[in-house]
Amino acid sequence: TQLLEQSPQFLSIQEGENLTVYCNSSSVFSSLQWYRQEPGEGPVLLVTVVTGGEVKKLKRLTFQFGDARKDSSLHITAAQPGDTGLYLCAGDQGAQKLVFGQGTRLTINP
Amino acid sequence: EPEVTQTPSHQVTQMGQEVILRCVPISNHLYFYWYRQILGQKVEFLVSFYNNEISEKSEIFDDQFSVERPDGSNFTLKIRSTKLEDSAMYFCASGAQLSSYEQYFGPGTRLTVT
Repeated sequence: TQLLEQSPQFLSIQEGENLTVYCNSSSVFSSLQWYRQEPGEGPVLLVTVVTGGEVKKLKRLTFQFGDARKDSSLHITAAQPGDTGLYLCAGDQGAQKLVFGQGTRLTINP
Repeated sequence: EPEVTQTPSHQVTQMGQEVILRCVPISNHLYFYWYRQILGQKVEFLVSFYNNEISEKSEIFDDQFSVERPDGSNFTLKIRSTKLEDSAMYFCASGAQLSSYEQYFGPGTRLTVT
């Protein structure tokens, strides 16, 4: 069983602060996706990283894939209340299925 | 922007009844998936479907589950005899590429089995 562990599980910070959340595994993934999920809704794809060491930026969000393709991080600069939500990482081992982490629930306080 | 749609948004059924959850994937996508999320738990893979057949299925996807693409637009998940533990959010996803990344999820159907 491939496991993806996300940390921290909960994070509450003030508006304007920076933060990093992590997604770790002992398994190698062909690609890794980050999703954001609002309560009662489906996951919304934010980004896909494919190459070891790859860095992708989406406005104030920076995603990095580890060199060994076993881990990833999401860094948010100058967090805003609109960033509040559940962030999920999901890995693909090329088996036509995604393995999800348990998520990091992020709260940005005004 | 194209999106995956699912109906109904909420389905309540009695234990032992059959339910069919419906999905309309993004129109030019060829790969289709069902996932479920029990309240407070991780999103779990159920099944993938391509070219009118199942590509991969998980241990959860036993004989009580089936999937079908009855026409060119719909993708359905049937649970033949629901159990209490089938209560969950069920998400349909679709993708355009052979590899399973870039999957786009629908809003989900909340299934409550009483």
